[in-house]
Amino acid sequence: DAKTTQPPSMDCAEGRAANLPCNHSTISGNEYVYWYRQIHSQGPQYIIHGLKNNETNEMASLIITEDRKSSTLILPHATLRDTAVYYCIVRVGGSGNTPLVFGKGTRLSVIA
Amino acid sequence: NAGVMQNPRHLVRRRGQEARLRCSPMKGHSHVYWYRQLPEEGLKFMVYLQKENIIDESGMPKERFSAEFPKEGPSILRIQQVVRGDSAAYFCASSLGTGAHYEQYFGPGTRLTVT
Repeated sequence: DAKTTQPPSMDCAEGRAANLPCNHSTISGNEYVYWYRQIHSQGPQYIIHGLKNNETNEMASLIITEDRKSSTLILPHATLRDTAVYYCIVRVGGSGNTPLVFGKGTRLSVIA
Repeated sequence: NAGVMQNPRHLVRRRGQEARLRCSPMKGHSHVYWYRQLPEEGLKFMVYLQKENIIDESGMPKERFSAEFPKEGPSILRIQQVVRGDSAAYFCASSLGTGAHYEQYFGPGTRLTVT
């Protein structure tokens, strides 16, 4: 079962920042926070991941609270092509196999 | 740099036939994962393979399903005697290494329809 809680849906105006929240109150110290998205029925697309520190790449920023019990994915300037289901995933650390456990995600609709 | 490739993209099989799904990982990746997405559901992990070895098949149905990743060539997910409940999207992912700090990159999927 997924260890995260996300709102089922959100809307965002085109050009504005999309802030997608995720609760992971039972996260352990060695567990990573991953974000993927799935546009329509395509394969999931990796967005970003982090352990403790905030992270930023060309797609998004990941803000993790100091107690690590929640995080926010930020798409700085949402476009219509960002409409997708966004999955927040907690992944156990270590060197062994750690499959991704997908929950229901947040369906983000970017509106013109 | 080509991403993860899967073929065929769409596959139609009659009940009782065999389905073979192929996955070529990203260049340099030797770790392959298979996931299944049933209609209106989330993705579920099936199996994890490295070259010539099955490492974790905890999500694989016990019967009719098998997977391989030979030394040469793509990874194959094989479903024998397909039933209607096997209709789903099957996604393959690959990674550079094992462990949670290695991201997995997904292919476009194979959509299997059993008639």
